[in-house]
Amino acid sequence: EPEVTQTPSHQVTQMGQEVILRCVPISNHLYFYWYRQILGQKVEFLVSFYNNEISEKSEIFDDQFSVERPDGSNFTLKIRSTKLEDSAMYFCASSDVGRSKNIQYFGAGTRLSVL
Amino acid sequence: AQTVTQSQPEMSVQEAETVTLSCTYDTSESDYYLFWYKQPPSRQMILVIRQEAYKQQNATENRFSVNFQKAAKSFSLKISDSQLGDAAMYFCAYRSAAGTASKLTFGTGTRLQVTL
Repeated sequence: EPEVTQTPSHQVTQMGQEVILRCVPISNHLYFYWYRQILGQKVEFLVSFYNNEISEKSEIFDDQFSVERPDGSNFTLKIRSTKLEDSAMYFCASSDVGRSKNIQYFGAGTRLSVL
Repeated sequence: AQTVTQSQPEMSVQEAETVTLSCTYDTSESDYYLFWYKQPPSRQMILVIRQEAYKQQNATENRFSVNFQKAAKSFSLKISDSQLGDAAMYFCAYRSAAGTASKLTFGTGTRLQVTL
């Protein structure tokens, strides 16, 4: 069964460093998303992406965040200068086109630890 | 803005018994989707069941079923014949049908324990 793949599973970084979280969405999906979950809290939307541009972003997704689809398969989330409060689980999701197919499938997540 | 509320932080059920997890939501939209996602200790988000607001019939997936009450804005999940593998966090989520890349809005989750 096709699945969303995220790498790395765990990323440890120093405050102020840049990190790139990588995702390979399901191959025929056209819509891509990033969510984050701070430990013990609910899952929060960050950004959605379609046709090589951002469709929607939340208040969390400020100038230190960016997304990119550098090639036909990868979808990345970059955090330019990490803060302690960026420590969280980051989930990538993708969905297909069409009313009956627009279920968002999630990857296993990347745990980001900012020290 | 839409909100999703799960008022039960924790629930417990005995193996083979039935449990119902509650979810309410607030929206001014008439067309939307509702979901239940399961998050086991591995923290992966796994889709359990989906309901389309324009469908009156409640969705079912094997041992999982929902009670969708549109007027009351209520969307509960019933798990029948509970198994140890059902132990997880369960998140209720809302998605607008407007637009093609609309976000999921999640509740705060209910932790389900399954006991022998």
